[in-house]
Amino acid sequence: LAKTTQPISMDSYEGQEVNITCSHNNIATNDYITWYQQFPSQGPRFIIQGYKTKVTNEVASLFIPADRKSSTLSLPRVSLSDTAVYYCLVGGSSSASKIIFGSGTRLSIRP
Amino acid sequence: DTAVSQTPKYLVTQMGNDKSIKCEQNLGHDTMYWYKQDSKKFLKIMFSYNNKELIINETVPNRFSPKSPDKAHLNLHINSLELGDSAVYFCASSQDSRRGEQYFGPGTRLTVT
Repeated sequence: LAKTTQPISMDSYEGQEVNITCSHNNIATNDYITWYQQFPSQGPRFIIQGYKTKVTNEVASLFIPADRKSSTLSLPRVSLSDTAVYYCLVGGSSSASKIIFGSGTRLSIRP
Repeated sequence: DTAVSQTPKYLVTQMGNDKSIKCEQNLGHDTMYWYKQDSKKFLKIMFSYNNKELIINETVPNRFSPKSPDKAHLNLHINSLELGDSAVYFCASSQDSRRGEQYFGPGTRLTVT
């Protein structure tokens, strides 16, 4: 099972770029890397997904090195509303692949 | 329009009771999931159904029984509730069972007293 390791918490300020790195040393060949955001009392919300290299959408970028043993979620110019828990997970290589959420990173944005 | 809905949002009950949580998705997705999030915020998958067929069945007590009457619904029935069952239960769906992004419901906070 591909386990992920993330920092427990991070702090930053409004307008800064925030990078959250996740380690997944035993990622399977066909596993995808997915990041979710969760606000208190809400379900997780999909942010971005990638397999290799770089993926960018309207809210974030995902950087994946060639060995795929880690990934970095990049949030440009964060605001107070980006304060949330961010989960990195790997999986999806097969229909029975177990999707495991890590402990998440609690990101706090200050004015 | 709510994509993934769950009922009830809050559920308070006593030990030993049997309760059900309902989930519905209107996204036309083939795969649905149940997750449990405990007080430490760890999110653990419990079950996954693809087109009404069980494909993931994690190590959960057999007091928990999912039922999928059709691919838009996945209900969770819990027998003989215990204190340790207290948690937030999330339903989710995805287009397919592989790489698709998952859409989560608002959660059901279950409190067993």
